[in-house]
Amino acid sequence: GDSVTQMEGPVTLSEEAFLTINCTYTATGYPSLFWYVQYPGEGLQLLLKATKADDKGSNKGFEATYRKETTSFHLEKGSVQVSDSAVYFCALGRGGSNYKLTFGKGTLLTVNP
Amino acid sequence: DTGVSQNPRHKITKRGQNVTFRCDPISEHNRLYWYRQTLGQGPEFLTYFQNEAQLEKSRLLSDRFSAERPKGSFSTLEIQRTEQGDSAMYLCASSLVGRQATNYGYTFGSGTRLTVV
Repeated sequence: GDSVTQMEGPVTLSEEAFLTINCTYTATGYPSLFWYVQYPGEGLQLLLKATKADDKGSNKGFEATYRKETTSFHLEKGSVQVSDSAVYFCALGRGGSNYKLTFGKGTLLTVNP
Repeated sequence: DTGVSQNPRHKITKRGQNVTFRCDPISEHNRLYWYRQTLGQGPEFLTYFQNEAQLEKSRLLSDRFSAERPKGSFSTLEIQRTEQGDSAMYLCASSLVGRQATNYGYTFGSGTRLTVV
């Protein structure tokens, strides 16, 4: 079945540091890939997505590229801010309308001033 | 548009009791989903509705769980004879799926945290 593996946290960085959170997936066919972010006390929010191989999703300075050859969708940001502190989830979408999402376990990011 | 609303935010119940959660999706969204998230894990798919029709149920959804969306608007998730293993965050989400099965993206609620003691 489908599965998503993302790097274990917690990750602690200083402000303006470079961020990478690794995500790899196992799935047949061509799923869509997503990064969701969850701030304390809030629901999951879509951060970015990619629907086919070599697509790059980007939003708020975050980027991730859909690499089918390595089955990866690593999240990167060049300069993190304290406000980026949150839990980040990698997910894949299955079904013609991505009706079913399979999530990784999440990575807690803490950014210190 | 106030987003996806879930009630209650927290629920503490004794083992063996029944509990019911409510989800109010974004009004124009035709799809509604339930997920469960346990501590240290990502959300796991439970079930989803297209309008009032329940189209898929995960094997995680035992016979003690039932979900409804009676008029294609709000949904309820009921757990009968709760067990300690049911303790989790129950997340609801909704989306608009248009022609050609284009999904315009999930919006998640903040969840209902269930603690079974």
